[in-house]
Parts: sequence; C-alpha cells; structure tokens
Amino acid sequence: GQQLNQSPQSMFIQEGEDVSMNCTSSSIFNTWLWYKQDPGEGPVLLIALYKAGELTSNGRLTAQFGITRKDSFLNISASIPSDVGIYFCAGRFYGGATNKLIFGTGTLLAVQP
Amino acid sequence: DSGVTQTPKHLITATGQRVTLRCSPRSGDLSVYWYQQSLDQGLQFLIQYYNGEERAKGNILERFSAQQFPDLHSELNLSSLELGDSALYFCASSVADSDEQFFGPGTRLTVL
Repeated sequence: GQQLNQSPQSMFIQEGEDVSMNCTSSSIFNTWLWYKQDPGEGPVLLIALYKAGELTSNGRLTAQFGITRKDSFLNISASIPSDVGIYFCAGRFYGGATNKLIFGTGTLLAVQP
Repeated sequence: DSGVTQTPKHLITATGQRVTLRCSPRSGDLSVYWYQQSLDQGLQFLIQYYNGEERAKGNILERFSAQQFPDLHSELNLSSLELGDSALYFCASSVADSDEQFFGPGTRLTVL
C-alpha cells in the first residue's frame, strides 16, 4: 500500500535532549497530522496541520506543514521518558484518486533516563 | 481513553475460519475507519463508513467485509483466514469526514 517516507526509523536519546523527525511524500497533501502510539495501544492524535507553512505547538511538541506541501516536521523539546513510543505522520490530499489518510512508516523513539 | 471501544481485545483462531471484530465510535462521530497494522506493512487503511454508507475503500481484501449499523457501531468480518492476516486491527472514528481520527485500543488477531 501507499506510504509516506518517515525518518529516522528509530532514535535512541537521553532524557532532556531535543528530537526532530520528518515525513516526506512524492505528492502534495492538504492535511498533515502527527500521531503517537504507545505499546499495545492505538495511535493518539498529537497535532493536526491544515495550511502550508503552518507551525503548531502542543506543549513540548511543535509540528510544521512544509511549504512545498510534500513534507512535515515534528520536534519534541526536552524529551522525557514518557515520550517513548512510535510516532506516525499522516497526510491526505482531498480530491485525489486515493482520498484517504496515508500513514508514514513510523519513527520509534526510545528515551533513556 | 479515546472514547472508541473495540472488542475483543485478543482473538486467536485457525486458518480457514471466520471472525468478526466490533467497534463502537465516539459519541457523535459518524465516520468509522478500519485499519490493519502488521510489522512489515505498517498502518494500512482498509475501509471507511460514514453514517451507515461505505465512503472510501483502501487495501481491503475480498475476504474481508465491513458494515456500519444504524446505531453507528461497525463490524469488520474476516473470512477464510490465512496466517498472513495475523495483525492488529484498529478502528477509528471522526466527526463527519474529518481527518482528525480517534483510534480504539485495537484487536490483536492471531491466526494459527
């Protein structure tokens, strides 16, 4: 199935470090979203972006909708152990042949106390 | 707690069998989505229902079918199960056709 390219695949960091991850697509999107999935749980919506260039924060999380509409970035500042999980980007292009939310491949984040 | 409920949490069955997964959306949400998550395929969209009608179809096999009932709960039926169908199956719901989807806890299906 169609997927977005997300990088890095995994990150192992120390508590307190900042984290950056990104998602790229070969086609443009109208919507970008970021989800976090804890082990054994369903994904939880973190941030939704609807406009190119938009920068949105949710606590220590900041996400941006790329100007080209083909990418998005998620930054986590001052990471803490509970940030551990898999982060997924998701994008959608309205009116396209595949009018559905496409999910990225995920970034596994491990935080060492 | 997202407000989306799924039953059962775990399901173990044999190849060739048929199972039904159930989902209750958040109160007020009209759309229900089904996703399959496996280790090698990531999160794959299967199908969406909106207010009882099929709205969008993804990579859903012909052996799989779904429906949404008048009370808006949804069921995903998986038949002639194969080993490769073992995965986590998530249901999500949203207001209308919004991209802001809220996921349930998932059903872990194991086919032996």
